[in-house]
Amino acid sequence: DAGVTQSPTHLIKTRGQQVTLRCSPISGHKSVSWYQQVLGQGPQFIFQYYEKEERGRGNFPDRFSARQFPNYSSELNVNALLLGDSALYLCASSLAASSGDADFGPGTRLTVT
Amino acid sequence: GENVEQHPSTLSVQEGDSAVIKCTYSDSASNYFPWYKQELGKRPQLIIDIRSNVGEKKDQRIAVTLNKTAKHFSLHITETQPEDSAVYFCAARNYGGSQGNLIFGKGTKLSVKP
Repeated sequence: DAGVTQSPTHLIKTRGQQVTLRCSPISGHKSVSWYQQVLGQGPQFIFQYYEKEERGRGNFPDRFSARQFPNYSSELNVNALLLGDSALYLCASSLAASSGDADFGPGTRLTVT
Repeated sequence: GENVEQHPSTLSVQEGDSAVIKCTYSDSASNYFPWYKQELGKRPQLIIDIRSNVGEKKDQRIAVTLNKTAKHFSLHITETQPEDSAVYFCAARNYGGSQGNLIFGKGTKLSVKP
């Protein structure tokens, strides 16, 4: 079975631009969570979606938004990019909102110049 | 909210020695504690986890212990090998609660010298 997939792998944007990152969960998993991992730090929780509804939100500004589609895939959008948004963005899927292990995707490396 | 502290930030051992990484958490409602291994440029991969109704869990060379009273849990790697070199993250979550997000420690960079 395919694991969590994310696209694109790498992305370079300039300050002020907008970016959309995509995630497809493991087949059968209905919950998707997004994490930001800045170099040298642990992943930080951004959003969790389950059955297309937001179940949790971390301490991130409103420039960050996300959604989940009927097929359980998800998009993370970041507007008005700042240099500090440069990070590895990880998507994790699990069977339900509060159960199971989190399986991480390979991540999208975002560089903001 | 939950806060997870992880120590040490770096750890260097000789091949064959044991390595221990310790984490503390603040929220007594947390009841699921996974450990992830992340190699350079790769995704975090779950290596072992423990739930709060268990005090210790072992999988070959890797073990995790949990002290609920003291709110700390530890990763033990025995007979370390060079391929164990990576960054290790502990995490905590409220399994079964309304949210399933993980709170991570800042990581421990383990170097195993041949």
